[in-house]
Amino acid sequence: KNQVEQSPQSLIILEGKNCTLQCNYTVSPFSNLRWYKQDTGRGPVSLTIMTFSENTKSNGRYTATLDADTKQSSLHITASQLSDSASYICVVSGSGGSYIPTFGRGTSLIVHP
Amino acid sequence: DAMVIQNPRYQVTQFGKPVTLSCSQTLNHNVMYWYQQKSSQAPKLLFHYYDKDFNNEADTPDNFQSRRPNTSFCFLDIRSPGLGDAAMYLCATSRDRGQWGQETQYFGPGTRLLVL
Repeated sequence: KNQVEQSPQSLIILEGKNCTLQCNYTVSPFSNLRWYKQDTGRGPVSLTIMTFSENTKSNGRYTATLDADTKQSSLHITASQLSDSASYICVVSGSGGSYIPTFGRGTSLIVHP
Repeated sequence: DAMVIQNPRYQVTQFGKPVTLSCSQTLNHNVMYWYQQKSSQAPKLLFHYYDKDFNNEADTPDNFQSRRPNTSFCFLDIRSPGLGDAAMYLCATSRDRGQWGQETQYFGPGTRLLVL
């Protein structure tokens, strides 16, 4: 069964600090991995998408990495801001015939001033 | 410039009283999805439409139905809401299905349903 596990479940950091969120998956065969940001009470918004051949992709202060061999991804947030407080969801799509992606539970990030 | 619009944003209903949630899109996308998201959980796909072709997930309860009268609109009908149906309901669209999930899903803001 395809699964996406994220850690930590929640994280509290001070404004200006960096943090890294983790995503492990068992989706196979692999097609792509996305990180979404979901603000409280809002729908998820796509931050990055990475395919098998991509190791790193940046979007402003967000940098995603992918190790397709170990089936791990991370999302690094640099110089955190209060507006980064949100849930970050890892979503993995397979190439085995189903185009429906598998969602992780998300990491809840709180940035304190 | 809202692209996926959901109404209402908050819905309160009584136990057993039918309720309809609506979703509209200005993207002219072929695919529309309905997800249920409970607190601190991943969104769970209920069903999706590829154009007019309805695709129900195997574990979606019969209590949940959907209608897509045209490209722009899609409705989620909950025939007899129970307390366990209280959740955020997310509508999403994608341009196409994408053979390998490469199509980006665009989510609406969600409708939070409360069942009394």
